[in-house]
Amino acid sequence: DIQMTQSPSSVSASVGDRVTITCRASLGIRSWLAWYQQKPGKAPKLLIYGASSLQSGVPSRFSGSGSGTEFTLTISSLQPEDFATYFCQQSNSFPITFGQGTRLEIK
Amino acid sequence: QVQLQESGPGLAKPSETLSLTCAVSGYSISSGFYWGWIRQPPGKGLEWIGSIYYNEDAYYNPSLKSRVTISVDTSTNQLSLNLTSVTAADTAIYFCARQQGGRIVSNFDYWGQGTLVTVSS
Repeated sequence: DIQMTQSPSSVSASVGDRVTITCRASLGIRSWLAWYQQKPGKAPKLLIYGASSLQSGVPSRFSGSGSGTEFTLTISSLQPEDFATYFCQQSNSFPITFGQGTRLEIK
Repeated sequence: QVQLQESGPGLAKPSETLSLTCAVSGYSISSGFYWGWIRQPPGKGLEWIGSIYYNEDAYYNPSLKSRVTISVDTSTNQLSLNLTSVTAADTAIYFCARQQGGRIVSNFDYWGQGTLVTVSS
């Protein structure tokens, strides 16, 4: 299985801050990486697919980059509604695997 | 707008079979795409369970493969999940979701709200 490791596990930030979350794959996954946002009691919401493609309807302050084994999700200017948990997911090969999550908290 | 809704018993006893259904609306399952089940133990991360195409072509997580069956019913536009011999470790929120694009392995663009299943005697 391809292991997905996110860092940090949690981060505190303020509204307006720029935040970057990293996801590393144990094997190369080309650009087959997605990012999700999950709020308490809700299903994950797709933000980014193909490492850098913005899902329709997602604000442009979210961006993704990377290929191979290292990927980043950047939120350029945090808004109050962005405080949530973020997961990465590889879709290079079976079994589909997710990172353990990064909790973004209000400072 | 594609919508998915999970349903099923919220409680299962150890060693029994967990059975869930996912009703899809706004899109016909037989038109394409893979459809998957993902679970999340309370307060923890996400685990892919398996995925299926409308023609019953199914793929499972090896960690669960011996206990899982996923099926589709195109006449009712639903997919189903059966998980046998459950233990407390199977306590989780179970989500159904649509896989984006036409690849067998893909990310998930539409999700159900999830249903909590607790395994307890």
